[in-house]
Amino acid sequence: KAGVTQTPRYLIKTRGQQVTLSCSPISGHRSVSWYQQTPGQGLQFLFEYFSETQRNKGNFPGRFSGRQFSNSRSEMNVSTLELGDSALYLCASSLGRTGGGEKLFFGSGTQLSVL
Amino acid sequence: ILNVEQSPQSLHVQEGDSTNFTCSFPSSNFYALHWYRWETAKSPEALFVMTLNGDEKKKGRISATLNTKEGYSYLYIKGSQPEDSATYLCAFDTNAGKSTFGDGTTLTVKP
Repeated sequence: KAGVTQTPRYLIKTRGQQVTLSCSPISGHRSVSWYQQTPGQGLQFLFEYFSETQRNKGNFPGRFSGRQFSNSRSEMNVSTLELGDSALYLCASSLGRTGGGEKLFFGSGTQLSVL
Repeated sequence: ILNVEQSPQSLHVQEGDSTNFTCSFPSSNFYALHWYRWETAKSPEALFVMTLNGDEKKKGRISATLNTKEGYSYLYIKGSQPEDSATYLCAFDTNAGKSTFGDGTTLTVKP
């Protein structure tokens, strides 16, 4: 059974650009959640999608957005990139909704560097 | 904002030592408590999920306990090995469908 796949693994952008990250969940999983990790910080919750609908959103500015497709694949978009957006972005999938005691399965992450 | 705190932030032990660390979380609105292990250059991997006060889980040399009334969970590693070196994350699920991660405890086991 294939795991959670994130693309690309590494990305270098400049300030002001926008970026789109992709996450393909484990087959059959309907929930995809996104997290940001910066050095010295834990995983900060960005948002969760379940059955193509955003179910929960973390405390991030509107420049961070996402969507989920009918095959459960999800994309995350960050517009007008800032230096502080440099981070590791992880996605995780689960059978049921995040936060309901569901075990999360994580991808390898996308390391974004903003210059 | 839910406060999930892990201590210590980092830990260095010798091979063979037993160790433990703590995850503290709000005692209200509890639904579940997760432990994940995150090795360098890999993805976080689920270790345990616990839902009931007094739950104890074990996987090999690693075990965890849960006290929902006082809001803490302990993770124990018996006879630490270098391959146990990783960051251990806990995540607290509320009954409102939110999940919050702690900042993690980074364990380094020296041969």
